[in-house]
Amino acid sequence: DTAVSQTPKYLVTQMGNDKSIKCEQNLGHDTMYWYKQDSKKFLKIMFSYNNKELIINETVPNRFSPKSPDKAHLNLHINSLELGDSAVYFCASSQADRGGYGYTFGSGTRLTVV
Amino acid sequence: AQSVTQLDSQVPVFEEAPVELRCNYSSSVSVYLFWYVQYPNQGLQLLLKYLSGSTLVKGINGFEAEFNKSQTSFHLRKPSVHISDTAEYFCAVSASTGFQKLVFGTGTRLLVSP
Repeated sequence: DTAVSQTPKYLVTQMGNDKSIKCEQNLGHDTMYWYKQDSKKFLKIMFSYNNKELIINETVPNRFSPKSPDKAHLNLHINSLELGDSAVYFCASSQADRGGYGYTFGSGTRLTVV
Repeated sequence: AQSVTQLDSQVPVFEEAPVELRCNYSSSVSVYLFWYVQYPNQGLQLLLKYLSGSTLVKGINGFEAEFNKSQTSFHLRKPSVHISDTAEYFCAVSASTGFQKLVFGTGTRLLVSP
């Protein structure tokens, strides 16, 4: 069983489209995150949810909207996709929203906007 | 806010040689420190972490790291590398209080050749 699973693994879409990436964790963790990894491999946090509540919202365009229907799921919806949105998006989970638990990462979704 | 500097973008090494990957951090508060490994087309996997106590931390796959508070460093070492250690290695920091938010360095690519 995959601990943190993301779908789809690859996503190719045209500029202006709207797309969603889904994430599910079966670890019983309370906290989930979205990170963006750019072409230079730099990882930057986008959002964090703890028990379905948004706790971290970094400087991310309004076109990005996370949704957490329950604490095991954190989806990412992106409106009006732009070329600069091309990246690998990683979902992660953590046992709690504080303390040194570290993250368990999903395998990533490679988004290519053409 | 916290930040991480990984001084080497790429480290080439021969199989069975020792290796050190350097990481320096900046923070005005006490921190937790992490090393993650990313194999091609995969998510990040936790190698080891420092929370408190002994400054020498042992992790998976024979890696270890030493926390040096005075030099604000957390260098990763392995006494003898294998071809299979070829991967991207990320150092990360989070404040030890408040919401956990991992801030990552830019990564170091370890290239092990025969």
